[in-house]
Amino acid sequence: GENVEQHPSTLSVQEGDSAVIKCTYSDSASNYFPWYKQELGKRPQLIIDIRSNVGEKKDQRIAVTLNKTAKHFSLHITETQPEDSAVYFCAASGGGGADGLTFGKGTHLIIQP
Amino acid sequence: DAGITQSPRHKVTETGTPVTLRCHQTENHRYMYWYRQDPGHGLRLIHYSYGVKDTDKGEVSDGYSVSRSKTEDFLLTLESATSSQTSVYFCATSGGVDEKLFFGSGTQLSVL
Repeated sequence: GENVEQHPSTLSVQEGDSAVIKCTYSDSASNYFPWYKQELGKRPQLIIDIRSNVGEKKDQRIAVTLNKTAKHFSLHITETQPEDSAVYFCAASGGGGADGLTFGKGTHLIIQP
Repeated sequence: DAGITQSPRHKVTETGTPVTLRCHQTENHRYMYWYRQDPGHGLRLIHYSYGVKDTDKGEVSDGYSVSRSKTEDFLLTLESATSSQTSVYFCATSGGVDEKLFFGSGTQLSVL
């Protein structure tokens, strides 16, 4: 089955700086790669996603890049703000199976004032 | 947010007792999932359903069973709860394969 590795497990950046979280996946048939943000005590919420026929996608201060050849994808957050502090999860969908997403173990992003 | 309701929101139970968690959705989504979330492990799939009465095992299914008698309801049962099943349980739904996954608010389960 699919295996998703996520790094780093904790990332601390100064407010206003950029943050980058990286993930790799194992199943070359995977074609859907979402990112979720989870605030303390809340549900994971989708913030951006990308499909395998696209190399990059942006939404305001966040962007995701995908390198299918290397089987890795990354989340980029620019001009970080205190409300960006949360745990971020990457995930991959196993190429058409009904078993949903395989998640990375999460990155705790801390925005230092 | 998608209309996904989990009940109960919190539960404390004793080792060896059966526990049932309920997920109810109003989105008419075909696919429903149960995940557990533990520190250091992220979200791990327990069971999933791809239609009424159609279910299958996920990565960590031992000690759990599920049932889906209606499109809108997906039940997770811990047949005999153990302390290792103390966790936060999330239900999720999706309208299609490789489509957006929406999560419920979660159930905090403590097995003493």
